[in-house]
Amino acid sequence: DVVVTQSPLSLPVTLGQPASISCRSSQSLVISGGLTYLSWFHQRPGQSPRRLINRVSNRDSGVPDRFSGSGSGTDFTLKISRVETEDVGVYYCMQGSHWPFTFGQGTRLEI
Amino acid sequence: EVQLVESGGGLVQPGGSLRLSCAASGFSFSSYWMSWVRLSPGKGLECVANIKEDGSEKNYVDSVKGRFTISRDNAKNSVYLQMNSLRAEDTAVYYCVTTARGCENWGQGALVTVSS
Repeated sequence: DVVVTQSPLSLPVTLGQPASISCRSSQSLVISGGLTYLSWFHQRPGQSPRRLINRVSNRDSGVPDRFSGSGSGTDFTLKISRVETEDVGVYYCMQGSHWPFTFGQGTRLEI
Repeated sequence: EVQLVESGGGLVQPGGSLRLSCAASGFSFSSYWMSWVRLSPGKGLECVANIKEDGSEKNYVDSVKGRFTISRDNAKNSVYLQMNSLRAEDTAVYYCVTTARGCENWGQGALVTVSS
């Protein structure tokens, strides 16, 4: 199985400051056709996960533009340009290139 | 608006069975792969199973193979997860999720607790 490793696991941040989460996979996520299935999710306490980013860098509908995704191959990053109060919670990356699709351990962002 | 509503969770003894259901609305259900994803304190998020649009292809994570069965009824816009021979480590919140590779939309989740 593809192992997905996130860092850091805990991320204390200051309101208005940037934040960055790393996601690394144990093998390349590039599949046939050159597609890369790497997504980012945010889960607030008591809520279901919500997808923020799909296929590395595509923001989902309604996601603020302060969120951005980048990377390639085995190395990916989620960046928040200026953290707001509503951004607290746990962030997960997930690879959908190789079955079984696997998630990172999660990064807890706290103000 | 996409809506996914899970039902069927609960408390079950080890070795027992449960059937989860997910009622979908707000999108063309028969055009999408569907998945079940679970969240447990010990293992985090885990893709348990997924099923192709017409039900002709199904995938399972190794830990549930031979015990869980995913199915769908496109006429009823529903997807199901039959869980047999349940173990303590199957205790989790189970989410119904649209698509497979991207896990686009999530239901509110159904809690399954396996305990004597």
